[in-house]
Amino acid sequence: GAVVSQHPSRVICKSGTSVKIECRSLDFQATTMFWYRQFPKKSLMLMATSNEGSKATYEQGVEKDKFLINHASLTLSTLTVTSAHPEDSSFYICSAPIAASTDTQYFGPGTRLTVL
Amino acid sequence: AQSVTQLGSHVSVSEGALVLLRCNYSSSVPPYLFWYVQYPNQGLQLLLKYTTGATLVKGINGFEAEFKKSETSFHLTKPSAHMSDAAEYFCAVSDEGNKLVFGAGTILRVKS
Repeated sequence: GAVVSQHPSRVICKSGTSVKIECRSLDFQATTMFWYRQFPKKSLMLMATSNEGSKATYEQGVEKDKFLINHASLTLSTLTVTSAHPEDSSFYICSAPIAASTDTQYFGPGTRLTVL
Repeated sequence: AQSVTQLGSHVSVSEGALVLLRCNYSSSVPPYLFWYVQYPNQGLQLLLKYTTGATLVKGINGFEAEFKKSETSFHLTKPSAHMSDAAEYFCAVSDEGNKLVFGAGTILRVKS
């Protein structure tokens, strides 16, 4: 089946630094990818929709200047957490529908971010 | 706005017993409904989905769910639990735009 990968799987950084998380579709092209954030013992919250070749669409309450999204190719979307703070520590997950018209999404394994 | 409520953050069953995980949704449009499973340190995996047609949907690993419009429910069941079913299960709803709204999740524990 379709596979979505994320890199790194976990990262620890100092407060004030920026961290980049990659999401790749390994055997299919994804014009759209989704970024979620999962808090401990809570559900996934959609942060933004990443669109290949155009600006990302952010959900209400998500700071676009803090969570920079770039979808530079049909197989790669990146999420950069800028000037990270401890409250940004979370589990970040991406997903991609296998085709533009499908309702089936494939999820990456997630990236655990810890900001000290 | 769409929302999903999963009753019970933790469910514990004995091996071989019936599994029932509850999910209720609200949606202003005909919903697409999903159940995902998340094993430790792994990504979400689609168990089953309802889009249109038959309201009883069969998924992988022996799970099934029934869409009941009158009850706005999409409960997940499995006749006989297996140890390998222990995981966290998420119910989700979407419109046709692929944006998923997730429930809070239910952790299933299977006792031997």
